[in-house]
Amino acid sequence: GENVEQHPSTLSVQEGDSAVIKCTYSDSASNYFPWYKQELGKGPQLIIDIRSNVGEKKDQRIAVTLNKTAKHFSLHITETQPEDSAVYFCAASRGDNFNKFYFGSGTKLNVKP
Amino acid sequence: EAQVTQNPRYLITVTGKKLTVTCSQNMNHEYMSWYRQDPGLGLRQIYYSMNVEVTDKGDVPEGYKVSRKEKRNFPLILESPSPNQTSLYFCASSLTSGSRMETQYFGPGTRLLVL
Repeated sequence: GENVEQHPSTLSVQEGDSAVIKCTYSDSASNYFPWYKQELGKGPQLIIDIRSNVGEKKDQRIAVTLNKTAKHFSLHITETQPEDSAVYFCAASRGDNFNKFYFGSGTKLNVKP
Repeated sequence: EAQVTQNPRYLITVTGKKLTVTCSQNMNHEYMSWYRQDPGLGLRQIYYSMNVEVTDKGDVPEGYKVSRKEKRNFPLILESPSPNQTSLYFCASSLTSGSRMETQYFGPGTRLLVL
């Protein structure tokens, strides 16, 4: 099956700086890559996703890039704010068996004011 | 309000005592799924359902059962819980458009402790 690896496991940045979280996947047939934010005591919430026919997608301060050749995708958060502090998860899913999802192990982001 | 609800939110039980965690969504979503979250392992998919009466195994289905008799409900059943099933459980639901997955909405989680 698919194997998704996520780095780093913890990330501490100063408010206003950028944060980058990287994920790699093993199954070249994966074609849907969502990113989730999980705040303490809550369920994960989708913040952005990308499909394999797109190389980059932006939504305000958040962007995701996908390199299908290298099988990796990254989350970029610019101008970080304290409310960005949370655990972030990447995930991958296949088109022909898209209903299975494989998650990374998570990155705890701490934005220091 | 569009939401996924889970009950109970917290549960302490003993080995071997059957339990059910309920999940309900009010968004008319076809797709529903159960995950468990353990420290350092992220979320792992247990079972999922494409629609009523259609279910399939995820990555870690051993020791769990599910059913999908109605579109809105997707209960998770532990017939004989064991301590290694102590975990935080999430239910999720999503619209699907053919083979295209749309936004997956997660419930608030159920924290289970099996003694």
